[in-house]
Amino acid sequence: DADVTQTPRNRITKTGKRIMLECSQTKGHDRMYWYRQDPGLGLRLIYYSFDVKDINKGEISDGYSVSRQAQAKFSLSLESAIPNQTALYFCATSVGRSQYFGPGTRLTVL
Amino acid sequence: QQQVKQSPQSLIVQKGGISIINCAYENTAFDYFPWYQQFPGKGPALLIAIRPDVSEKKEGRFTISFNKSAKQFSLHIMDSQPGDSATYFCAASTRGGADGLTFGKGTHLIIQP
Repeated sequence: DADVTQTPRNRITKTGKRIMLECSQTKGHDRMYWYRQDPGLGLRLIYYSFDVKDINKGEISDGYSVSRQAQAKFSLSLESAIPNQTALYFCATSVGRSQYFGPGTRLTVL
Repeated sequence: QQQVKQSPQSLIVQKGGISIINCAYENTAFDYFPWYQQFPGKGPALLIAIRPDVSEKKEGRFTISFNKSAKQFSLHIMDSQPGDSATYFCAASTRGGADGLTFGKGTHLIIQP
């Protein structure tokens, strides 16, 4: 969905490096989410935000941090990347009950 | 503890057949049950969703059946087509989805021509 964009789409980094994944949306939705997808495990919630002043931890927040710079922007950071953070990362926005996902960022940590 | 259990992991169905994917949940506070469809290289896309006060919802060839007492829900794809080949995820949430979704592990569906 072009209304939710994620950058970069692919990233290879090394253990110990800091990395930021960015998400932007033009839907005007207040709620934004970060999920991680691993093969055979489905998607798991990392963090979510209801607005710029409201950040909440999800199921697997350890090792991650987020920043909601504006209603339209929600960034995910890995302060010191480790190999088991290699995964596909999705940003989503929501209004009402429906969530709309971005195209994902494939992150590889060597 | 896996709160949403999905089966089967993979499924092969002939064109024109019925595809059935099942999910079971444990948290009785869940109040919203969506299904997502994901094609390779794409993000999940909402397919159909149901609330627990309804036993069935149909949209085109896609139907959700919901059994509140058994804490189970399923997706039926009628007249399955090769274009339906994708990975399907069931999910559940509280507060109508506000606190994020809890996903099943996914079903890789292949429709053979």
